[in-house]
Amino acid sequence: DAGVIQSPRHEVTEMGQEVTLRCKPISGHNSLFWYRQTMMRGLELLIYFNNNVPIDDSGMPEDRFSAKMPNASFSTLKIQPSEPRDSAVYFCASSLARRPGYTFGSGTRLTVV
Amino acid sequence: DAKTTQPNSMESNEEEPVHLPCNHSTISGTDYIHWYRQLPSQGPEYVIHGLTSNVNNRMASLAIAEDRKSSTLILHRATLRDAAVYYCILHNLFNQAGTALIFGKGTTLSVSS
Repeated sequence: DAGVIQSPRHEVTEMGQEVTLRCKPISGHNSLFWYRQTMMRGLELLIYFNNNVPIDDSGMPEDRFSAKMPNASFSTLKIQPSEPRDSAVYFCASSLARRPGYTFGSGTRLTVV
Repeated sequence: DAKTTQPNSMESNEEEPVHLPCNHSTISGTDYIHWYRQLPSQGPEYVIHGLTSNVNNRMASLAIAEDRKSSTLILHRATLRDAAVYYCILHNLFNQAGTALIFGKGTTLSVSS
């Protein structure tokens, strides 16, 4: 298994531009999670899905952030418009619901200038 | 999820055992104790989990106090590759829709040769 696949690995964009981060979970996993990591705030949960349905999006910072999971094998996290304070590493993880052992992707390092 | 308390940092020498403590005095009966670690520039990875009994796997051992208010992750022989941030997390696996891992600050483990 290739694990959780995130793309792109690095993204540099200008303030005000739209940014789309992508995630392919492990086949068969039915829960998917988006996290953001910064030095100041550590690892923060943004949103998670169970069976493609958003369960908890209380961690999404504001309306500029949106996430979708159109099918079991793909999810996107979109930021529109992006701001410098959105610069962080964004991780996607997947698991089987109610089972231990999340698998995290390698992350997308986003820099907004 | 209930809160955990870990030391900010610990140091170890290569090939010596390492005991990483975690306090979780408000743990509930349905909380599993999970440990994850994050190597530099990587996403977190699952290490071990347990409910009441001590657990061993190829990576580490988990010792759980009888009252479950504390636990210790044991690395039997530290290597330089074990230098990472170690997170102790309480996670309820009984919730029907699943719940998400909430990360604290963790313990930064340094290993010297």
